[in-house]
Amino acid sequence: DQQVKQNSPSLSVQEGRISILNCDYTNSMFDYFLWYKKYPAEGPTFLISISSIKDKNEDGRFTVFLNKSAKHLSLHIVPSQPGDSAVYFCAASEGFGNEKLTFGTGTRLTIIP
Amino acid sequence: DSGVTQTPKHLITATGQRVTLRCSPRSGDLSVYWYQQSLDQGLQFLIQYYNGEERAKGNILERFSAQQFPDLHSELNLSSLELGDSALYFCASSGGDFYGYTFGSGTRLTVV
Repeated sequence: DQQVKQNSPSLSVQEGRISILNCDYTNSMFDYFLWYKKYPAEGPTFLISISSIKDKNEDGRFTVFLNKSAKHLSLHIVPSQPGDSAVYFCAASEGFGNEKLTFGTGTRLTIIP
Repeated sequence: DSGVTQTPKHLITATGQRVTLRCSPRSGDLSVYWYQQSLDQGLQFLIQYYNGEERAKGNILERFSAQQFPDLHSELNLSSLELGDSALYFCASSGGDFYGYTFGSGTRLTVV
């Protein structure tokens, strides 16, 4: 039972354009969401998070949007840069302080120069 | 360097064998988590320790066990290994204020 789904295994975007990565979840108890970025031969690194009390959180070029009614979140990267090429994982937990994370299967983002 | 150290980086072993994966958390972090990533799969939560005590358990097989020692390092023991246990095993740690984990670079286990 995949409670966090990333339905696009891969995405290619031109450098300078917007990258939009999507994530859906089924567990209505999830209320804290995170995005991680992973380069080959490295562990995932924390990118940005959002609590269910918000619908948007921004950090530099990265913005995460949360639509609770649709159980959907997205990560926007503007503008996309070659160094953004990586695998992006969406993750969710049942409350801030409940530290077990449920991860999606990841989306491989390739930025085309 | 994330501050979370995992050893070894690579491990090749035969079916039926037992291996131990080691993790040193980031300085000051009390929680350690173990995750398994199989081919084309997301990271599957195995187990969490907090300050030496088991805190949460995921889909960890009975053949697998873990512990966290007084110096806060953790070990994941995998026994009676099967081909399907071949995967990347990640350790992560977090501090008292949870804003997300810090992951190690993983141990790639290959069972032949």
